[in-house]
Amino acid sequence: DAGVIQSPRHEVTEMGQEVTLRCKPISGHDYLFWYRQTMMRGLELLIYFNNNVPIDDSGMPEDRFSAKMPNASFSTLKIQPSEPRDSAVYFCASSYWGQGGQPQHFGDGTRLSIL
Amino acid sequence: AQTVTQSQPEMSVQEAETVTLSCTYDTSESDYYLFWYKQPPSRQMILVIRQEAYKQQNATENRFSVNFQKAAKSFSLKISDSQLGDAAMYFCAWRDQGGSEKLVFGKGTKLTVNP
Repeated sequence: DAGVIQSPRHEVTEMGQEVTLRCKPISGHDYLFWYRQTMMRGLELLIYFNNNVPIDDSGMPEDRFSAKMPNASFSTLKIQPSEPRDSAVYFCASSYWGQGGQPQHFGDGTRLSIL
Repeated sequence: AQTVTQSQPEMSVQEAETVTLSCTYDTSESDYYLFWYKQPPSRQMILVIRQEAYKQQNATENRFSVNFQKAAKSFSLKISDSQLGDAAMYFCAWRDQGGSEKLVFGKGTKLTVNP
């Protein structure tokens, strides 16, 4: 089975530009998560969806960040305008509800560098 | 708020030896799940092992096992017969059973395996 697919793997852009990160969850999974990883703050949950509906977006830093899940097989995380402090690795993960605490499966991440 | 603490920023072990990575957490919940994830230099987040808090038996996956002490809120990971491929960052994570799907991560422990 294909895992969680993220694109692009690397993104370098200039401050002020719009950045869009993409994620395709594992087929059949009904939860989708966006995480950010930095040296200073570690792994932080930004937002998660259940059945395409945002459930908890309390980790979204500010209005410059937005996430959508138009259907069960695709999600985007957008930053507009981008700033150097947004530089980080962004992970998408998916899981499904089930007894026993189903684990989240992570994509390979997008390394974002804002110059 | 729930917190996860990994007190060892770095650990090292000789190949074929055993190493234990520490993790403590703080929660008022009684039902939850605990996970260990591995992040090699390739950046992938890989599930190593998971534990359900209501199970007293410690989880085991091949060379990986945990020592789960619920009263002490401790969840250590033991790696037996360490291999060079075990070198990675290891993250401990907590998740509520009945509520949010949010994973709370520790800051990680960098494990070096010496030949």
